[in-house]
Amino acid sequence: DIQMTQSPSSLSASVGDRVTITCRASQDISSSLNWYQQRPGKAPKLLIYATSSSQSGVPSRFSGSGSGTDFTLTISSLQPEDFATYYCQQSSSTPETFGGGTKVEIK
Amino acid sequence: EVQLVESGGGLVQPGGSLRLSCAASGFTFSNYWMSWVRQAPAKGLEWVANINQDGSGISYLDSVKGRFTLSRDNAKNSLYLQMNSLRAEDTAVYYCAAWSYSSAWYFDLWGRGTLVTVSS
Repeated sequence: DIQMTQSPSSLSASVGDRVTITCRASQDISSSLNWYQQRPGKAPKLLIYATSSSQSGVPSRFSGSGSGTDFTLTISSLQPEDFATYYCQQSSSTPETFGGGTKVEIK
Repeated sequence: EVQLVESGGGLVQPGGSLRLSCAASGFTFSNYWMSWVRQAPAKGLEWVANINQDGSGISYLDSVKGRFTLSRDNAKNSLYLQMNSLRAEDTAVYYCAAWSYSSAWYFDLWGRGTLVTVSS
């Protein structure tokens, strides 16, 4: 199974900050990396698929990059509604594993 | 409206059974691979099982193999997860999710989830 390691597991940031979350795969997954946002008590929501493609309706402040084993989600200017938990997921092979999550909290 | 709605969760004793259902609407269900993803309390997301469009291809998380059975009824636009021999570690919110593909596979539609609690 491919292991997905996210860092940090949590971070505190202020509105307007630039935030970067990283995700590392235990083996090469090419560009098969997705990012989801989950607010408390809600279902996950797709933000980015195939490493860098934005889902329709997702604000442009969210972007993704990387390839192979190392990937990044960047929020260019953190907004109040962005305080949530973010998960990466590889879809290169079954089981389609998720990272452990990064909780973004208000500083 | 495009949506997935799960049902069937509840409290069950260890060793018991539950059948989860997921009703799809607003899209052509039979065209989509489908999955169940679960989330234990205060934990992360865990993929559970996949099924292809006609039900001929199914895969499971190792820890649920032999205990869970995934199926679908395209005529009823519904996905099912039969869960037997339930354990405390199966306690979680179970989400139904639909796969799409564009350069990579991804979940672009999720239900709201149904809570399964395994406890005596």
